[in-house]
Amino acid sequence: AQSVSQHNHHVILSEAASLELGCNYSYGGTVNLFWYVQYPGQHLQLLLKYFSGDPLVKGIKGFEAEFIKSKFSFNLRKPSVQWSDTAEYFCAVYGNNRLAFGKGNQVVVIP
Amino acid sequence: DTGVSQDPRHKITKRGQNVTFRCDPISEHNRLYWYRQTLGQGPEFLTYFQNEAQLEKSRLLSDRFSAERPKGSFSTLEIQRTEQGDSAMYLCASSSEENKFPYEQYFGPGTRLTVT
Repeated sequence: AQSVSQHNHHVILSEAASLELGCNYSYGGTVNLFWYVQYPGQHLQLLLKYFSGDPLVKGIKGFEAEFIKSKFSFNLRKPSVQWSDTAEYFCAVYGNNRLAFGKGNQVVVIP
Repeated sequence: DTGVSQDPRHKITKRGQNVTFRCDPISEHNRLYWYRQTLGQGPEFLTYFQNEAQLEKSRLLSDRFSAERPKGSFSTLEIQRTEQGDSAMYLCASSSEENKFPYEQYFGPGTRLTVT
């Protein structure tokens, strides 16, 4: 069965700081990776995805993620965060007809 | 663009009662998923439908849980004899194998269940 590990569950940073959230996955099949975001009071929304090709993928709102196969990682980055990036971020891997999610990162951006 | 909808958004029930939740997926999506999310955790898979067929069930889905998707459109999730441990957010998601990215799932707002 597939699994995902996310570290640093609570992150507090100031506006304009850079953000990097780690994600490590375990799955033996073809890798389909996702980052979802949940803003306060809203439902889960897709931030970006990787299926194949260029390992550096760009998503909405200036986010990007890099797939490193040798490290089983799919880390999320944003060079300069805004207060509106305050949210919970989930990494997920698809396999066996389901998404397996990590525990999430609660990110708070201080104005 | 009509997204995934769920009803009700909140449900408070007493232990031992039965509850039923409804999910309406995006209209052309043939795949439907149910997940459960508790505080401090990511969503956990419960079950998966392709059209009206329930093809996968998690071990989390005890005998008290049942899900249906009678005509391959909306789905219901019923919990019988609720327990306090059932308190959670129940999420529904849908996807389409016809899409360019068939594994990309769209989530509804969830139903928050509180068992007292």
